[in-house]
Amino acid sequence: DTAVSQTPKYLVTQMGNDKSIKCEQNLGHDTMYWYKQDSKKFLKIMFSYNNKELIINETVPNRFSPKSPDKAHLNLHINSLELGDSAVYFCASSQAHSLYNSPLHFGNGTRLTVT
Amino acid sequence: TQLLEQSPQFLSIQEGENLTVYCNSSSVFSSLQWYRQEPGEGPVLLVTVVTGGEVKKLKRLTFQFGDARKDSSLHITAAQPGDTGLYLCAGAPDSNYQLIWGAGTKLIIKP
Repeated sequence: DTAVSQTPKYLVTQMGNDKSIKCEQNLGHDTMYWYKQDSKKFLKIMFSYNNKELIINETVPNRFSPKSPDKAHLNLHINSLELGDSAVYFCASSQAHSLYNSPLHFGNGTRLTVT
Repeated sequence: TQLLEQSPQFLSIQEGENLTVYCNSSSVFSSLQWYRQEPGEGPVLLVTVVTGGEVKKLKRLTFQFGDARKDSSLHITAAQPGDTGLYLCAGAPDSNYQLIWGAGTKLIIKP
């Protein structure tokens, strides 16, 4: 019954590799997000999709490419991984694009370690 | 650039004590959300405040939104070890399309 599920939970890989993180939500929400949480626990938005359409694309290296095959899924592909990409990546969803009274529901995160 | 300053960054107190966490900004928010995050999990929403001066209570937690909708506080009465976690505030600006996040308060309640 997990509302927002992302896989894998842990990802350890070497510099230069390409990896993907998958996310699915079963809440019927229209909007999905990818966040990066650094070692100091600061949450930074990376991307936001509303009904499969890219809405927010923050200053993220183009090695990061989100893909939304349908509004219940938002995957994150990362090319040529670098040491600085090590972080916890969170997928989230919200009922509507407007955040006035539409809180975020987060997955449990993917801890990416690049060696 | 809108900022949301959260303080303190870290707080370690004994069980039974009271504490307050603050989120302050020079910008106006249409609403402000408080989340709690436990190790190995994602943030979970505690409350959303939307009206200036609003006070919401969740058991021993009291949330207040400033009259001018620029600041908010979280007060915990008689803290319990189960309150341990990372508390995050997030403001929805008038544009409403991207939350502005505080840096978080790591709270440890010692038995």
